[in-house]
Amino acid sequence: TQLLEQSPQFLSIQEGENLTVYCNSSSVFSSLQWYRQEPGEGPVLLVTVVTGGEVKKLKRLTFQFGDARKDSSLHITAAQPGDTGLYLCAGALITQGGSEKLVFGKGTKLTVNP
Amino acid sequence: GAVVSQHPSRVICKSGTSVKIECRSLDFQATTMFWYRQFPKKSLMLMATSNEGSKATYEQGVEKDKFLINHASLTLSTLTVTSAHPEDSSFYICSAETSGLGNEQFFGPGTRLTVL
Repeated sequence: TQLLEQSPQFLSIQEGENLTVYCNSSSVFSSLQWYRQEPGEGPVLLVTVVTGGEVKKLKRLTFQFGDARKDSSLHITAAQPGDTGLYLCAGALITQGGSEKLVFGKGTKLTVNP
Repeated sequence: GAVVSQHPSRVICKSGTSVKIECRSLDFQATTMFWYRQFPKKSLMLMATSNEGSKATYEQGVEKDKFLINHASLTLSTLTVTSAHPEDSSFYICSAETSGLGNEQFFGPGTRLTVL
């Protein structure tokens, strides 16, 4: 059972279009992070959202954390070919031992065609 | 800031040998580091949490005797894949947490392991 459901898994759009990626869970996260990963490289952190209902903007990217801290979305406005990549959401859970670990969604492979 | 390195970036070994992968936090101290495994076109799966000066905490289904983790200092954690087999071939990625809870994880560039 996937703890964090991410959709869509694949997305191919034309330059200039808008898109939204969703991450949903039945678990409450202490924070949620969005990453972008290029082939053969480690994930690069885009943003961290912590407060329920929080909205953060990073140029053309808008990130939202659900009020109940169970879901999040990434919206890209006027997508460009340079946005092509794998986008991963990751929710932070507090373990029984008191430490924090990330659970990742399966990722969204975005292709923006010129 | 918050740069994490991994070495080697790519390794090919024969079945039955052991391979050590290093993860270093270059400009900060990390009391906690994490080791992930990523199969092609799949997401990252947490293998273990590595705490400086103590034993690693392994996720369910991960063999601790096969994947040895040593976090000897605040800037270095190592993962040793013992008696590697072809099914161990994967992309191994480490991350380092800055400090305490609610802090972000910064990822290394990954190590591609191929076992022949």
